Amino acid sequence: DAKTTQPTSMDCAEGRAANLPCNHSTISGNEYVYWYRQIHSQGPQYIIHGLKNNETNEMASLIITEDRKSSTLILPHATLRDTAVYYCIVRPTGTASKLTFGTGTRLQVTL
Amino acid sequence: SAVISQKPSRDICQRGTSLTIQCQVDSQVTMMFWYRQQPGQSLTLIATANQGSEATYESGFVIDKFPISRPNLTFSTLTVSNMSPEDSSIYLCSVEEARDTEAFFGQGTRLTVV
Repeated sequence: DAKTTQPTSMDCAEGRAANLPCNHSTISGNEYVYWYRQIHSQGPQYIIHGLKNNETNEMASLIITEDRKSSTLILPHATLRDTAVYYCIVRPTGTASKLTFGTGTRLQVTL
Repeated sequence: SAVISQKPSRDICQRGTSLTIQCQVDSQVTMMFWYRQQPGQSLTLIATANQGSEATYESGFVIDKFPISRPNLTFSTLTVSNMSPEDSSIYLCSVEEARDTEAFFGQGTRLTVV
């Protein structure tokens, strides 16, 4: 599976957009980009995933570059409850493939 | 989305003993996985629980230490055997309703071995 690189930590003011980058320069054509987050003392929570088109749901937007070597997760209006560790994961399609968690980005949303 | 119930939520165990963790899902799911999260660390996959057959273990994890059962499509157990303080971690159950779909996680079992 392709390796991902994320910043260790980021801060964001409440009400502002949080833009979390992820580098996956070795991604293959059959690999999706998944985002999960883990709020303290809870199990990880699925946010969004995409292959090559930008995706949006009620939680976030996912922007994937045209060459697919990087992506950005956007939380449009961050709240204190969005404080969590955010994981960007690359995963092949069509197989019983596992999720390989890296170290993620610790997002701190502040007043 | 699948609702996962994991039991116990936490436990404190004596070294040398074993603990069995249960994972119950409210719907039939194709895939079930067990993860470990050591203090301050990210999640590491222990094994894929296969219905009706032996689990598939990741490198560094063996059946004798972490026996897994999956008797049907809604239930699985993970046993942590002959525990030592190094086994103190959060153990998480994860499910996928079908391949290439999102995974859902239980709230985890916080295990402390003394």
